[in-house]
Amino acid sequence: EAAVTQSPRNKVAVTGGKVTLSCNQTNNHNNMYWYRQDTGHGLRLIHYSYGAGSTEKGDIPDGYKASRPSQENFSLILELATPSQTSVYFCASGDQGDTQYFGPGTRLLVL
Amino acid sequence: GEKVEQHESTLSVREGDSAVINCTYTDTASSYFPWYKQEAGKSLHFVIDIRSNVDRKQSQRLIVLLDKKAKRFSLHITATQPEDSAIYFCAASRTSGSWQLIFGSGTQLTVMP
Repeated sequence: EAAVTQSPRNKVAVTGGKVTLSCNQTNNHNNMYWYRQDTGHGLRLIHYSYGAGSTEKGDIPDGYKASRPSQENFSLILELATPSQTSVYFCASGDQGDTQYFGPGTRLLVL
Repeated sequence: GEKVEQHESTLSVREGDSAVINCTYTDTASSYFPWYKQEAGKSLHFVIDIRSNVDRKQSQRLIVLLDKKAKRFSLHITATQPEDSAIYFCAASRTSGSWQLIFGSGTQLTVMP
């Protein structure tokens, strides 16, 4: 199975602070994704990428930026964190036409 | 926009019985339907998928059925075991020119001994 890792696993941030969530995959998948999971909403797509240098907006991109500096790495950036961004964030990777493999998740608490 | 509805938010069954989780989707052109399992406090783990060129797929105790006319698909877990207890998510591929999945809101399955 694909190996996707995320860091940090837990993060406490202050309102207005900058938060960077990192994701690394070692299976050479072209596509990578950032989701957030909230009770009652399932998973919602924030940003995704087709490959190094590309980032695309998902369904709920407001308040988030993404960066894909290499095939392996995909970051999610909260420039000005707000309490509404408290959530569990999952990174996933996959190839076109195939399933997505998820990282372990990052629990973010914004105070 | 495209949606995936997961009809059962919770489901309880007795060990050994079958469990069925139902999902519907809105995008007629969706062609790929994976299922994921999430155990408490953990990440999503892929369990089984089905593509639109077939209407049934089985992997051990898991069976997925797809009814394209009704835009409905379902996960059947036979001979349930306590370790099947988890949240199950269905998803459907989005056909907006990129490879994305739209997820249902999840079904909490509890298998009682």
